[in-house]
Order: sequence, then C-alpha cells, then structure tokens
Amino acid sequence: DGGITQSPKYLFRKEGQNVTLSCEQNLNHDAMYWYRQDPGQGLRLIYYSQIVNDFQKGDIAEGYSVSREKKESFPLTVTSAQKNPTAFYLCASSMGWGARANIQYFGAGTRLSVL
Amino acid sequence: DQQVKQNSPSLSVQEGRISILNCDYTNSMFDYFLWYKKYPAEGPTFLISISSIKDKNEDGRFTVFLNKSAKHLSLHIVPSQPGDSAVYFCAVLTSGTYKYIFGTGTRLKVLA
Repeated sequence: DGGITQSPKYLFRKEGQNVTLSCEQNLNHDAMYWYRQDPGQGLRLIYYSQIVNDFQKGDIAEGYSVSREKKESFPLTVTSAQKNPTAFYLCASSMGWGARANIQYFGAGTRLSVL
Repeated sequence: DQQVKQNSPSLSVQEGRISILNCDYTNSMFDYFLWYKKYPAEGPTFLISISSIKDKNEDGRFTVFLNKSAKHLSLHIVPSQPGDSAVYFCAVLTSGTYKYIFGTGTRLKVLA
C-alpha cells in the first residue's frame, strides 16, 4: 500500500530537548512538506522540499530544522528554540510534476506535547 | 493577514440536503484550488480541485465552483451523508510554486 507514514503518533518533549518527527513516503513523490496545525487554525507551512538535498523555509520555520537525504524521507526536528511546540504536525508529499502534481497526500500526523 | 478565509467555522445540515462550504481568497495570482476533508487525529484527505481556467468541477456528490472575479470558491455536497461530517479545508496555490495556503477550516455536521 502506497502512502505516507508518520511516527510516532504521540510525542512528548521535555524543556530544552530536541525531538525528531519521522516522515516516510513510498509514493515516489519528489516534493515533501511539513505543516503545523493549532486548534482552530489552518495548516501552516514549516518547511518544504522539492527535491533530494534541497529544502526551503515556509512561513513558520523558526525553531525547526529538516533534512532531505533520501527521496522517501523528510524528518523534522523540533529544537529547544521552538518555545511553543505543542501542536499537531502533518507531513505531506506531492508529485511535483505532471497532471496531478498539485495534489498533496498527507500522513496521519504526530501530536507533540510539552512535559 | 489571512490570504485565505473560511468565514464559517461550523455548519450543520440535515442528511440528504445540500451542504455548501465557502472560501475566499485575496491574491489573484492563485490559480489552483483544492478542498480537503479531515477527521479528528487524522491527516487531511484530498477531495476535489479546480484550476483557474475552469469555473466548475464535479466528482460524484462533490462539486467545486470558482468565481475568479469575486475571488470566491465553494464546495457543494449533494446529497449530504452522515459520513461527510468532518472538517473541510480549502487550499490555494500558485502553479509552479510549492507554497500552499490553507484556510482555517469549516466543521460540517450532517444530522441523520
């Protein structure tokens, strides 16, 4: 079954700790994205990557970092510099080209809470 | 400043009737528009999309209408079913970029 797998489903962070959220896709998509959702708000773009070894900041990149060493994987690290990390994090991917390039497919999300 | 607005946070509709969800945007550079459906604690799933060269796109019970002059997008669900109860997000994009902008969502409740 093709899709996007996010892990873990729930994650707790202690003060001053960095945590990494995993995102893996087997859809052979070029582009991958990380969003954050807060209650009553839409999805806000943290980072996106159009191609392996390349990524760009989204609207709320401060306190986050990413890497894209493999096409299938786009992990997100929430650093200690992110002062309000409690949120629902969503990873997505899209083809990046072709007729259905603009459709994003999402993982099931990771809920991050601060202890 | 919100570039994409869904002004109705919630909507209740009787089963079998029409559900109409609305979305307004501010930037005429956006040329691709999508609707997603989201259940609690899950990721959004793609429903239907439309490009700016069209004013209507239909897929089964779902129809999206685009009014470019008014910068307004709507999703019609006919007939509404209890399984349609979810949060619906509109998203906009300028083709060739990768920066999607999402609305804040409308929670639809279809009453049996």
